[in-house]
Amino acid sequence: QSALTQPPSASGSPGQSITISCTGTSSDIGGYNYVSWYQQHPGKGPQLMIYEVNKRPSGVPDRFSGSKSGNTASLTVSGLQAEDEADYYCSSYAGSRWVFGGGTKLTVL
Amino acid sequence: QVQVVESGGGVVQPGRSLRLSCAASGFIFSNYGMNWVRQAPGKGLEWVAVIWYDGTKKYFADSVKGRFSISRDNSKNTLYLQMNSLRAEDTAVYYCARYRYSGSYFDCWGQGTLVTVSS
Repeated sequence: QSALTQPPSASGSPGQSITISCTGTSSDIGGYNYVSWYQQHPGKGPQLMIYEVNKRPSGVPDRFSGSKSGNTASLTVSGLQAEDEADYYCSSYAGSRWVFGGGTKLTVL
Repeated sequence: QVQVVESGGGVVQPGRSLRLSCAASGFIFSNYGMNWVRQAPGKGLEWVAVIWYDGTKKYFADSVKGRFSISRDNSKNTLYLQMNSLRAEDTAVYYCARYRYSGSYFDCWGQGTLVTVSS
C-alpha cells in the first residue's frame, strides 16, 4: 500500500484535458509545498514533470500543470497528445523521507 | 549531458548481500544529494535511501533500515547501495536519482538495475 493515493487509471481523447489526483496527509502533502510529479514510459526510468507543486522544469511542455489544496495535489494535462500515454507518479517530502503514490496509468484514446 | 547509470543488479539468494553502483556524469557530483528509489515488478515507486552531497547525512526507509547502507565516493563520481540480508520483497528495479535540496525533488534518474531475490 502506497503512502499517497492516486487513481489507478485515467483516460482522455487527443486534445482533451485530464486531471490526476494525489491524496496524502498533513504529514506529507499538507505539511510541505514539496510535491513533485514524474512520468514513466514502459521500460524507462521516471522523468520529472512538476516540482514544488506547480513548477515545470525546462523542456516540459506547458500543457502540464500542478496544483495543491490541503492534503491533495493534482496534475493536469491539457491538450492530450499520444506521447502523454504513460504512468504518472506523485511524490511528497515527508520529513527526512519521501513518499510516492501508487501511480496512475494514463491512456490516450 | 547529465546522466546517471546504475549497475550491479542480478539474482541473489535470500539472506545474501549485493552492492549496487551508480556512475554519475555531466554534473558536479559532489554538489548534489543522491537517492535510491526502487520499483517492484508491476508496482509503484518506493523511496529507499538518501545521502547528502558530502556524505554527512543519510536517511533510510523503514523497510530497509538496518539492512541497507548508502555511501558515495565523490572522487569517483559514484554512489553505492550495500544491500544485506536480502528478502524476496526486495526484488525490484533500483533507480539512482539526483536530489535537488531547494524544492526537495529528484531531477535526474537512471534506467535502473534489476535485483531479483530468489532461491
